[in-house]
Amino acid sequence: AQSVAQPEDQVNVAEGNPLTVKCTYSVSGNPYLFWYVQYPNRGLQFLLKYITGDNLVKGSYGFEAEFNKSQTSFHLKKPSALVSDSALYFCAVRVNYGQNFVFGPGTRLSVLP
Amino acid sequence: GAGVSQSPRYKVAKRGQDVALRCDPISGHVSLFWYQQALGQGPEFLTYFQNEAQLDKSGLPSDRFFAERPEGSVSTLKIQRTQQEDSAVYLCASRHSIGTGGPYNEQFFGPGTRLTVL
Repeated sequence: AQSVAQPEDQVNVAEGNPLTVKCTYSVSGNPYLFWYVQYPNRGLQFLLKYITGDNLVKGSYGFEAEFNKSQTSFHLKKPSALVSDSALYFCAVRVNYGQNFVFGPGTRLSVLP
Repeated sequence: GAGVSQSPRYKVAKRGQDVALRCDPISGHVSLFWYQQALGQGPEFLTYFQNEAQLDKSGLPSDRFFAERPEGSVSTLKIQRTQQEDSAVYLCASRHSIGTGGPYNEQFFGPGTRLTVL
């Protein structure tokens, strides 16, 4: 069965510093990987996805993620964090024969001014 | 443009009461999903519709949970005889199934309905 791990419950970073939110996955078959962000009392907002092609994917709000097949990882990154990036981040995987997402447990990002 | 909407946004039910949660997907989106998000956890899949057909209900936790989408647009998730463990945020998502992304397009999520069972 497919699964997604986000090893850090909480990530703290100073404003202006680079940030990384980690995600590893376990699937059989080709993984299709997504990052979503959740602000309080709001639904999940799509950030970016990896389907095929370049391993470095660029998404919304300056975020990017790198797909690493050998390490089964899809870490989310941003070169310079903003206080407004503080939110809950979810990594999700969709296996090619499935329809739904399997989500990780989430990582709370706090960007300190 | 209109996104996915859900109603009510908040629902408080007494244990044993039946509830109905509504989802209005983005117009033209063929695929519709329901997820359950417990406090402090990631969303967990409940069920999936393609148009009016419920193609996957493997995530429904018990036979007290029932979902329908009779005309292929609005969907209702019904929970009978609610229990305290049903307290969670119920998220609806829709997906456009055509275009270059096809079935690999992202899902668009509504704001969720927070259900509290007392």
